[in-house]
Amino acid sequence: NAGVMQNPRHLVRRRGQEARLRCSPMKGHSHVYWYRQLPEEGLKFMVYLQKENIIDESGMPKERFSAEFPKEGPSILRIQQVVRGDSAAYFCASSPQRADYGYTFGSGTRLTVV
Amino acid sequence: QKEVEQDPGPLSVPEGAIVSLNCTYSNSAFQYFMWYRQYSRKGPELLMYTYSSGNKEDGRFTAQVDKSSKYISLFIRDSQPSDSATYLCAMSGATGYALNFGKGTSLLVTP
Repeated sequence: NAGVMQNPRHLVRRRGQEARLRCSPMKGHSHVYWYRQLPEEGLKFMVYLQKENIIDESGMPKERFSAEFPKEGPSILRIQQVVRGDSAAYFCASSPQRADYGYTFGSGTRLTVV
Repeated sequence: QKEVEQDPGPLSVPEGAIVSLNCTYSNSAFQYFMWYRQYSRKGPELLMYTYSSGNKEDGRFTAQVDKSSKYISLFIRDSQPSDSATYLCAMSGATGYALNFGKGTSLLVTP
């Protein structure tokens, strides 16, 4: 019974490149949440998606960041033209329905921009 | 003022001690309160969940919420070296799903 799977675990990108982070929710879960953990900072909510729908993207930076959760396949967090300040751990979580009680996180993708 | 404040520690205690971890918050709209445990290089793991004020106990863990003081606590009894981790408080308002996290308190339980 696999948990939330994120890949890659580590990603190194040069400034200006694109980063694609993938998240496969737990089996039976159709709600996905993305968070970012900057060094020395707490986790920050970025976006909440259901299959084929963005429900709440209030925490997403206005530019260069996008997320999707297609009908088939994992959820993708995409960062275009990465900058050093994007270096962080990105976590996704999933739930079977909208979660009011916390949810299960994956182990994260650690993005380093060089 | 940050919405959620949490002392980063580190907090070092001997095995068997009672550990008290705390968070304060400023947003009176918060209704859902959670504690997560995060081991190094891992994702957060949900430990306790409380809705509104009150106490909740689960094994060696007790969570308390005092909404009048905007203060939440996690107590760990009979602490073990395996409890060594970073403990994150998290809370949310009416939406429920958008969690506001503290920065985490680093706990070390020494044998």
